[in-house]
Amino acid sequence: RKEVEQDPGPFNVPEGATVAFNCTYSNSASQSFFWYRQDCRKEPKLLMSVYSSGNEDGRFTAQLNRASQYISLLIRDSKLSDSATYLCVVNNFNKFYFGSGTKLNVKP
Amino acid sequence: NAGVTQTPKFQVLKTGQSMTLQCAQDMNHEYMSWYRQDPGMGLRLIHYSVGAGITDQGEVPNGYNVSRSTTEDFPLRLLSAAPSQTSVYFCASRRTSGAQETQYFGPGTRLLVL
Repeated sequence: RKEVEQDPGPFNVPEGATVAFNCTYSNSASQSFFWYRQDCRKEPKLLMSVYSSGNEDGRFTAQLNRASQYISLLIRDSKLSDSATYLCVVNNFNKFYFGSGTKLNVKP
Repeated sequence: NAGVTQTPKFQVLKTGQSMTLQCAQDMNHEYMSWYRQDPGMGLRLIHYSVGAGITDQGEVPNGYNVSRSTTEDFPLRLLSAAPSQTSVYFCASRRTSGAQETQYFGPGTRLLVL
């Protein structure tokens, strides 16, 4: 079983739409959680950390459900510039496991 | 402050050749790591280090060696390249002061093994 699983998409949405991604992880002892963004052929960059209480950064909201072992990312008012692949990342005692990514295409 | 740097950007090898991918960071981060990314897949951890003199294996360590003689540098060695090692390799670093510390990635090395 994979450590981290994501729906690969693609999610094709119009500008201004709200879109949500989910990710599940297998190790209940995982310590910390992140969403990264990766543009084509570039290095991943941190979008946001995910906290148990949930956290928001502008149009982005991340949630963690430890009981069900899933992480979510909500993007409101999508922009063309949000088009990218979103990677769910889980830290298990200094070993970081990446999901395969969810591709988002925002259309005009 | 250059962040995380990787050299070379591109490399073509023949099967059986050896080479070293270089990674350096100037942020005084204790933790450094190497990943590979294959098409349609997420990053997979090869090796990591929590400080100079300390290294450990990740998910896919076979065929790769690492060492960490300084805080700044974390080279990845391919001893005998195989076509299955064709991939994009990313190096990353982070502080170890807490589990929430984020990783910073280098720009990647694209490796083709013929």
